[in-house]
Amino acid sequence: QLQLQESGPGLVKPSETLSLTCTVSGGSISSSSYYWGWIRQPPGKGLEWIGSIYYSGSTYYNPSLKSRVTISVDTSKNQFSLKLSSVTAADTAVYYCARHGRQQWLVDIWGQGTMVTVSS
Amino acid sequence: DIVMTQSPDSLAVSLGERATINCKSSQSVLYSSNNKNYLAWYQQKPGQPPKLLIYWASTRESGVPDRFSGSGSGTDFTLTISSLQAEDVAVYYCQQYYSTPPITFGPGTKVDIK
Repeated sequence: QLQLQESGPGLVKPSETLSLTCTVSGGSISSSSYYWGWIRQPPGKGLEWIGSIYYSGSTYYNPSLKSRVTISVDTSKNQFSLKLSSVTAADTAVYYCARHGRQQWLVDIWGQGTMVTVSS
Repeated sequence: DIVMTQSPDSLAVSLGERATINCKSSQSVLYSSNNKNYLAWYQQKPGQPPKLLIYWASTRESGVPDRFSGSGSGTDFTLTISSLQAEDVAVYYCQQYYSTPPITFGPGTKVDIK
């Protein structure tokens, strides 16, 4: 079945850019039925949607993060990526990549998550 | 944006007893044209990603035990675990998908064993 796997550095310095990649296996990222997104969870806290991308490259971002976020897709590699610039300690979190429907934004598949710590 | 709230923040229930979690949306998530409530519930066990449990407010995802049930309409919803099992210890989140983006989750309710 379809699986998602996050990869990237676990430690990022303040003011630098956080970069993560999600690899989709067991299915195609070019499905017309789904969006691919990033959701984060600070330690001990709730879930925050960061943004989503369609295989065509169309994106939606959380307004609270929009100025710092870029999500991109590479259909040839079946991957999508997150860049979050100018990070601070408040960006320390588990970052999940996920799949949700194009019509109904239900998150039906999640990656295992990757912990990213912002610290000097 | 639609704001989701949940109550209680946490609860402890004896094994085999009923657990009830409430979720409220700041505006109705009932779509009148199809009479469906755009409300989902997720379960997140410690150290794991969330898992979709229920959608359309009351439809269980494939493989979800029938002790989990969802109810409610409009702005007020409930997730009920009819007979709590040890493996149900988790944080439960509600999410509306009536008005997206953004995806908005409730703050979560932690369920423990008493």
